[in-house]
Amino acid sequence: QVQLVESGGGVVQPGGALRLSCEASGFTLSNYGMHWVRQAPGKGLEWLGVISYDGNNKYYGDSVKGRVTVSRDTAENVLYLEMNSLRGDDTAVYYCAKEVDVYDAVDVWGQGTMVIVSS
Amino acid sequence: EIELTQSPVTLSLSPGERATVSCRARQSSSYFLAWYQQKPGQAPRLLIYDTYKRATGVPARFSGSGSATEFTLTISSLEPEDIALYYCQHRNTWPPLYTFGQGTKLEIK
Repeated sequence: QVQLVESGGGVVQPGGALRLSCEASGFTLSNYGMHWVRQAPGKGLEWLGVISYDGNNKYYGDSVKGRVTVSRDTAENVLYLEMNSLRGDDTAVYYCAKEVDVYDAVDVWGQGTMVIVSS
Repeated sequence: EIELTQSPVTLSLSPGERATVSCRARQSSSYFLAWYQQKPGQAPRLLIYDTYKRATGVPARFSGSGSATEFTLTISSLEPEDIALYYCQHRNTWPPLYTFGQGTKLEIK
């Protein structure tokens, strides 16, 4: 069964940093591109970034570029999202998701992990 | 990133009616256009990708069409379980940067 489970959310102080994890099972990360998407409370979906299936290419949304890094550990089959200089509008549910095809839509999503930026 | 505009913001229809949601891209780009359904408290679910391809397990009443800058999600005959938010997603030709529409709320009368 293909599954994604995010973890690492919680309360973070403004100006702080976070590292979210996304544990994949039922498939191998090295075969699929992976995305991060977030959703602020009561708001729409915002695409954050993608790492290609081979891990060689990463692309980020304009709103978070320079503050975000997507990486992965293929041995552990875990995807990561690191974000720094956090501010209130980074408060959101963060989802990882698997591509259906190369640089295509995403067909499997995790349940999301909530990040609250607050002092 | 390509700017996307979805319409309408809210759609209220009766069971059995046909629902049409539009997504307009500010500039013509790839054929890549996806549609997602999101129910309260749940992660989004892929419905349509590459403009018209139905994702695995998606009922045939959902279909996608369009090209260039105008794309459409159609639900041929509404079921009560179709109450949800619907988002379109577009991707630049290159580099692959993705954008979501602002969402359409589908209500059942």
